Amino acid sequence: QKEVEQNSGPLSVPEGAIASLNCTYSDRGSQSFFWYRQYSGKSPELIMSIYSNGDKEDGRFTAQLNKASQYVSLLIRDSQPSDSATYLCAVKGGGSNYKLTFGKGTLLTVNP
Amino acid sequence: GAVVSQHPSRVICKSGTSVKIECRSLDFQATTMFWYRQFPKQSLMLMATSNEGSKATYEQGVEKDKFLINHASLTLSTLTVTSAHPEDSSFYICSFSDGTDTQYFGPGTRLTVL
Repeated sequence: QKEVEQNSGPLSVPEGAIASLNCTYSDRGSQSFFWYRQYSGKSPELIMSIYSNGDKEDGRFTAQLNKASQYVSLLIRDSQPSDSATYLCAVKGGGSNYKLTFGKGTLLTVNP
Repeated sequence: GAVVSQHPSRVICKSGTSVKIECRSLDFQATTMFWYRQFPKQSLMLMATSNEGSKATYEQGVEKDKFLINHASLTLSTLTVTSAHPEDSSFYICSFSDGTDTQYFGPGTRLTVL
């Protein structure tokens, strides 16, 4: 059973702070890792993808991957109230079937 | 990113009726697509994977005779919930793969079965 675990939250940070979201996965053969943002009542939207160990930055977002530790994280710098949402970690295992396994998500609230 | 549409966005039906949900990719051709279900405060659960022109592969615990999937073309897939019951009330979301690992999600359909 492939599992993806996220810190349960909810996570509350003040506006302008750094929000840190964490995710671990059980399938050591996993190849691709994604962070999705989901606003209440809406479908997920892709924020970041990461495939190699290390950091990947895109604007205020930085994804970090450590395959040895089976750990992936998302940092949001200068958090804004509009960042308030549930963040879903998704992992694609080895193989070519493109199936993703999602974590349960972490609810982030950014307080003005 | 790619654009995926889903219709209807919201549907309310009586118990025992069937509901069809359409999912279209608007600007690319997708060979693989996915149907998910999300109950309140839970994550997305994959229901089935389908490839154009072939039968869908259902996840364990998902009844293939109840959730009929038709991937008729590279831009259209439909999910029919047959003989819906209140426990089928959920948020149904489709997604397409563009041949890479990235999935593009539709806006979702909120199904309420009375």
